[in-house]
Amino acid sequence: AQKVTQAQTEISVVEKEDVTLDCVYETRDTTYYLFWYKQPPSGELVFLIRRNSFDEQNEISGRYSWNFQKSTSSFNFTITASQVVDSAVYFCALSDLSSGSARQLTFGSGTQLTVLP
Amino acid sequence: DAGVTQSPTHLIKTRGQHVTLRCSPISGHKSVSWYQQVLGQGPQFIFQYYEKEERGRGNFPDRFSARQFPNYSSELNVNALLLGDSALYLCASSPSRAGPYEQYFGPGTRLTVT
Repeated sequence: AQKVTQAQTEISVVEKEDVTLDCVYETRDTTYYLFWYKQPPSGELVFLIRRNSFDEQNEISGRYSWNFQKSTSSFNFTITASQVVDSAVYFCALSDLSSGSARQLTFGSGTQLTVLP
Repeated sequence: DAGVTQSPTHLIKTRGQHVTLRCSPISGHKSVSWYQQVLGQGPQFIFQYYEKEERGRGNFPDRFSARQFPNYSSELNVNALLLGDSALYLCASSPSRAGPYEQYFGPGTRLTVT
């Protein structure tokens, strides 16, 4: 069965610091997809990135970057020069073939990031 | 384009009652999924519907049911409510039932069972 672990429950940083959110996943499939979502206090999950299991290239989007390493089953998320608006709960999620025809997302428990001014 | 919409925003029910939650997907999206998010936890998959058929079901009791309409909107029904059903119920839509399509989430319906 698939599983996503986000060991960091809460992280607090001061504005302009860099912060890395960890994500470790488990799956028996060779084809799978990894996601990061942001959940601000309003509650709506905002899609940030999707990676497939065959593409291990790191990706950078503005202040956001993602480090995908199959060897350690990790998909970590780094925010550079954090801002107060980055404060939210961040979820890592996995979608694989074990759910049959449904592409359900299996979420981690989330990391609450607080950026202090 | 409008995003995923859900109604109502908030709901308070009593144990044993029934509740219906509604979701309208992004225009052109044919797949709708439902998730339950208990406070302090990540969302848990309940159902996926595609082309009006159930395509997947999570580990939830039969008190939970759903359906999808010809316009691809969806309803989630929960019977015989328990205190443990109190949660944020999220609806997500995607263009397809499978493949590497990300799911886009609505704002959720916060259900409180007293």
